[in-house]
Amino acid sequence: AQSVTQLDSQVPVFEEAPVELRCNYSSSVSVYLFWYVQYPNQGLQLLLKYLSGSTLVESINGFEAEFNKSQTSFHLRKPSVHISDTAEYFCAVSDPGAGSYQLTFGKGTKLSVIP
Amino acid sequence: EPEVTQTPSHQVTQMGQEVILRCVPISNHLYFYWYRQILGQKVEFLVSFYNNEISEKSEIFDDQFSVERPDGSNFTLKIRSTKLEDSAMYFCASMAVRGYNEQFFGPGTRLTVL
Repeated sequence: AQSVTQLDSQVPVFEEAPVELRCNYSSSVSVYLFWYVQYPNQGLQLLLKYLSGSTLVESINGFEAEFNKSQTSFHLRKPSVHISDTAEYFCAVSDPGAGSYQLTFGKGTKLSVIP
Repeated sequence: EPEVTQTPSHQVTQMGQEVILRCVPISNHLYFYWYRQILGQKVEFLVSFYNNEISEKSEIFDDQFSVERPDGSNFTLKIRSTKLEDSAMYFCASMAVRGYNEQFFGPGTRLTVL
């Protein structure tokens, strides 16, 4: 079974500073990788995903993540954060090679942007 | 933009009571899911549903749980006899087709068992 590790439970960062949220997954031949964001009192929203192709994927609001197969990582980065980025971020994986599309989530990282 | 909706937003119940959580997936989607998130813990998969039957379920999804798609729009999760440890946020998700593999989540129902 897949597992996802998000080592940082909380990340405080000053506004306009860069941030990296780390995600590692247990290895598999082929996986789909996702980052979801949860704003306070809201549901989960897909931020970006990697299915295949280019290992660098980007979201519309400036986040990017890079799939690194050798390190089994899918870290999320943003060069300059805004107050509105304050939220909890969840890394998730599915294992279509095993015929499973259920999402396995990490424990989440709470990003706090400090003015 | 189409979205997944869930009702109620908050449900309070007594231990041992039955609850039904309701979801309206996006209309042309074919795959449906329930996840839960106990306060302070990770989001956990419960069950997936396709073509009117369960396609996958986790260890959490025991005989106390059931899912149903009673009509063309609703997707429900029933907990037959609630326990204190069932208190959690329950998320419904839907997906159009397998190849695209993007699950759209609803806002969740917070279930509190007293």
